[in-house]
Amino acid sequence: EAGVAQSPRYKIIEKRQSVAFWCNPISGHATLYWYQQILGQGPKLLIQFQNNGVVDDSQLPKDRFSAERLKGVDSTLKIQPAKLEDSAVYLCASSLEQNGMGYEQYFGPGTRLTVT
Amino acid sequence: AQTVTQSQPEMSVQEAETVTLSCTYDTSENNYYLFWYKQPPSRQMILVIRQEAYKQQNATENRFSVNFQKAAKSFSLKISDSQLGDTAMYFCAFMKLRDDKIIFGKGTRLHILP
Repeated sequence: EAGVAQSPRYKIIEKRQSVAFWCNPISGHATLYWYQQILGQGPKLLIQFQNNGVVDDSQLPKDRFSAERLKGVDSTLKIQPAKLEDSAVYLCASSLEQNGMGYEQYFGPGTRLTVT
Repeated sequence: AQTVTQSQPEMSVQEAETVTLSCTYDTSENNYYLFWYKQPPSRQMILVIRQEAYKQQNATENRFSVNFQKAAKSFSLKISDSQLGDTAMYFCAFMKLRDDKIIFGKGTRLHILP
């Protein structure tokens, strides 16, 4: 089966510019996650979708970050305006179910964002 | 709040040797899941092994096994007969029961030397 797809793989922007990342989860996976992985740290959850509804966005900096998952499939994560501290790898993951039973999360290759 | 601590930022071992990566966690929960994820250089993160806290038996997956000590809140990963392809960042992770949020440690960078 095809894995989680993300694009672009790399992006360099200047601070105060805008950027958008795209994720296509594994077919049939109801739950989609966006993580931020800063260099030297583990991934941190930004937002979780169940189908096209938001389950948890408590750690999403809502003044500059936004995300949507139209039709419960693809998702986009946007940063506007970007700050230097947003430089990180943005990972998308998906899982079959959202019922807290420890289903495996499948990760995409990530988008490496550099803000200069 | 749950925390996951990996005290070894970086390790190196010779090919074919056995290596153990350490992980401790802090939680007041009784039922939860623990994971080890592998992130190879420039490749996507994959699940290595999963442990349910209510199971006393340690999980194993081929050359990978864990030593789960619930009372000590310790969850170490042992890689036997290490291979060059095991070179990667390894993340220990925690998930509460009925909660999909995974809490990751900072990772251990493992180098397998030829």
